[in-house]
Amino acid sequence: DQQVKQNSPSLSVQEGRISILNCDYTNSMFDYFLWYKKYPAEGPTFLISISSIKDKNEDGRFTVFLNKSAKHLSLHIVPSQPGDSAVYFCAASGGMQGKSTFGDGTTLTVKP
Amino acid sequence: NAGVMQNPRHLVRRRGQEARLRCSPMKGHSHVYWYRQLPEEGLKFMVYLQKENIIDESGMPKERFSAEFPKEGPSILRIQQVVRGDSAAYFCASSPWPGTYEQFFGPGTRLTVL
Repeated sequence: DQQVKQNSPSLSVQEGRISILNCDYTNSMFDYFLWYKKYPAEGPTFLISISSIKDKNEDGRFTVFLNKSAKHLSLHIVPSQPGDSAVYFCAASGGMQGKSTFGDGTTLTVKP
Repeated sequence: NAGVMQNPRHLVRRRGQEARLRCSPMKGHSHVYWYRQLPEEGLKFMVYLQKENIIDESGMPKERFSAEFPKEGPSILRIQQVVRGDSAAYFCASSPWPGTYEQFFGPGTRLTVL
């Protein structure tokens, strides 16, 4: 039973346009959500996060939206740049132990 | 300011051998997490350790896998009698204190079992 799902394995957008990556979760105990970015042959790098008490968090070109009633979050990147091309993982956490449950990732390709 | 270090980066083992994966967390971090990524899948939690203690090993296979984080030295993930299904990328992450959800990941160890 996959508790965090990223239903789109891949996404391709044009440079300068908006990229929207989606993530759904099933466990109501999750109260903190994160996005990580991963380049080939490297470990994931933390990008942005959101607590369940908020519905939006913004950091530069990156904005994460949380819809708790729908158990859905999304990452918006605007404007998209070729250097944003990577695999993006959605992760969810809850409780005090800090372990994260990851989705399977979405490969974003930004075309120049 | 060194990040999380893992070695070796690549490890090849024959079926039945032992694999030892090492992880040195970021300076000042005393919480270590191990994740495994199978091809075309996301990262799956394996184990959470603090210095000298295993806090949560709910993601560890019951047999052949063990982990430790001694008072001195790196954290070790040990896989005994490896099988082909153990081939994966193993990532270590660290954080400075409990309840910190943002984790800093190492570059991973890619294990190949022949």
